[in-house]
Amino acid sequence: DADVTQTPRNRITKTGKRIMLECSQTKGHDRMYWYRQDPGLGLRLIYYSFDVKDINKGEISDGYSVSRQAQAKFSLSLESAIPNQTALYFCATSDSKRGGSNTEAFFGQGTRLTVV
Amino acid sequence: AQRVTQPEKLLSVFKGAPVELKCNYSYSGSPELFWYVQYSRQRLQLLLRHISRESIKGFTADLNKGETSFHLKKPFAQEEDSAMYYCASGGNNRLAFGKGNQVVVIP
Repeated sequence: DADVTQTPRNRITKTGKRIMLECSQTKGHDRMYWYRQDPGLGLRLIYYSFDVKDINKGEISDGYSVSRQAQAKFSLSLESAIPNQTALYFCATSDSKRGGSNTEAFFGQGTRLTVV
Repeated sequence: AQRVTQPEKLLSVFKGAPVELKCNYSYSGSPELFWYVQYSRQRLQLLLRHISRESIKGFTADLNKGETSFHLKKPFAQEEDSAMYYCASGGNNRLAFGKGNQVVVIP
């Protein structure tokens, strides 16, 4: 089945370390997103990309960067991790050519990141 | 900017009781509204969307443009409905999520 895959699933890292979260998809979708999920705050958009050459900041992009290496791959980096970046991170995709809806999102399984 | 409001954080109901999760949105255009569900230790998945006007797992949601609401309802809760529910508004080519409702169905 076409899917959205995130690696790693769990990661513990130390403050100040650089870490990369990876997302790949086999859905053939052009749009990809990174969200973080925190208790009581819901899902907040970090970055999104409409194609390989189109990267946009979301509502909480500070402290993060992204790379769209190919249509199927979208990586999220924390250049210098800090404890308040401890969260569950979700990658999602959507298809701009999908009839009737171009914002329905399909999610990966999430990456639980802990910064100590 | 889009904004989605889900007022209750935690909702506990007895099995067989009705469930209603409130969602209000603010968007100047014509939004697409969705409900996503996240079962324990699973990814978010689409539950239903206003375009299709369907009932999924006994849940329905009606878009009320006058009240800018998209409340989720189910007449008889089941234990398997225990999950986190997110209302989302699509517009400007991206989704904005509410803070979510944790639903606990008590046997």
